[in-house]
Amino acid sequence: GESVGLHLPTLSVQEGDNSIINCAYSNSASDYFIWYKQESGKGPQFIIDIRSNMDKRQGQRVTVLLNKTVKHLSLQIAATQPGDSAVYFCAETGSQGNLIFGKGTKLSVKP
Amino acid sequence: NAGVTQTPKFRVLKTGQSMTLLCAQDMNHEYMYWYRQDPGMGLRLIHYSVGEGTTAKGEVPDGYNVSRLKKQNFLLGLESAAPSQTSVYFCASSYQFYNEQFFGPGTRLTVL
Repeated sequence: GESVGLHLPTLSVQEGDNSIINCAYSNSASDYFIWYKQESGKGPQFIIDIRSNMDKRQGQRVTVLLNKTVKHLSLQIAATQPGDSAVYFCAETGSQGNLIFGKGTKLSVKP
Repeated sequence: NAGVTQTPKFRVLKTGQSMTLLCAQDMNHEYMYWYRQDPGMGLRLIHYSVGEGTTAKGEVPDGYNVSRLKKQNFLLGLESAAPSQTSVYFCASSYQFYNEQFFGPGTRLTVL
């Protein structure tokens, strides 16, 4: 069946360092992937997305890398700030066109 | 633009009671979704709609019903609430599939 998972449930980084959050997906037919950030008590907030015809996409301080060979997705955050502390979810498209979310990685930024 | 709004923000129900959660979006999106989020888990799709007057089942539809009478509104109903439905419910909308989904702030529901 389809599933999206994360390698690490928690990640702790020093302020100013770069963060890398990983995600594995199982559906090789998925052609759209997205990263969301969720702060405590709030709804998920869009960070960046990527389509399967791309390997890399950059946003402001964030980069998403897609490795279709090993079905791996990663989110890189440059110069991590305290405001980046949140739970990060990756999601892939399901067979109904919906998004299937992973369980999330909690990022903690130490000052 | 208010984006996606949800009412109520919090609710406590007794087992067997019914209620309706309201989602509204002002972005003229065709697609709307209802998710639930439980501790330690990601979001799971309950029902979704691809346009006014349409609804479809998601991953965990049992115990819920939905209606999309107006394009901007998507209602989630619990006819007979059960403790297993204690969760945080999020509504989302998007222009189309394979696009960014915009989420509301969530409704925290407790069923005693």
